[in-house]
Amino acid sequence: DTGVSQNPRHKITKRGQNVTFRCDPISEHNRLYWYRQTLGQGPEFLTYFQNEAQLEKSRLLSDRFSAERPKGSFSTLEIQRTEQGDSAMYLCASSPGLMAQYFGPGTRLTVL
Amino acid sequence: DQQVKQNSPSLSVQEGRISILNCDYTNSMFDYFLWYKKYPAEGPTFLISISSIKDKNEDGRFTVFLNKSAKHLSLHIVPSQPGDSAVYFCAASVVYGNKLVFGAGTILRVKS
Repeated sequence: DTGVSQNPRHKITKRGQNVTFRCDPISEHNRLYWYRQTLGQGPEFLTYFQNEAQLEKSRLLSDRFSAERPKGSFSTLEIQRTEQGDSAMYLCASSPGLMAQYFGPGTRLTVL
Repeated sequence: DQQVKQNSPSLSVQEGRISILNCDYTNSMFDYFLWYKKYPAEGPTFLISISSIKDKNEDGRFTVFLNKSAKHLSLHIVPSQPGDSAVYFCAASVVYGNKLVFGAGTILRVKS
């Protein structure tokens, strides 16, 4: 399968803990995006990278959130000091430049 | 503010008939529009897109229509099939390849 992969698929954590998610984009896709989706809503943009450069961050991305794409391949999204409001589906997408974005299956985060 | 709106939370259609999903937007800077389909426990799947310089784009059973003056687009699925039952998201971007702004989605049920 050469689609976008995300790990873990599910994460349950206690409030105040740190969590990290990983996204592996489609090979040779130079753009990588992170979105968050809550129940009954469409995905909301968080941030995106072109190669290793983080080009845009949403104001939704508080200082507790950090994303990296160190070698321009996979990316990680870390949430520090998780809060119950962080519970959501975290979606990663990739694209080969100025093209449609292809999404992974998501990581469902539950903060207790 | 909700820049992309899908005002119908759900739609039910008989197999073989036409499904019409609607989407309205408020940001006149949007230049590209996309439709995604989402099954439970999966990420959104890209269906079809349209640039603002066109008013129609077809791909098999799927056709997207864009009315720029009304800031309205629609997705037509003909003929509808039970496997089309899913949540459909409308999305828009100012520049193709940049961040997507999604609507809240419409649940389509195709009855056999």
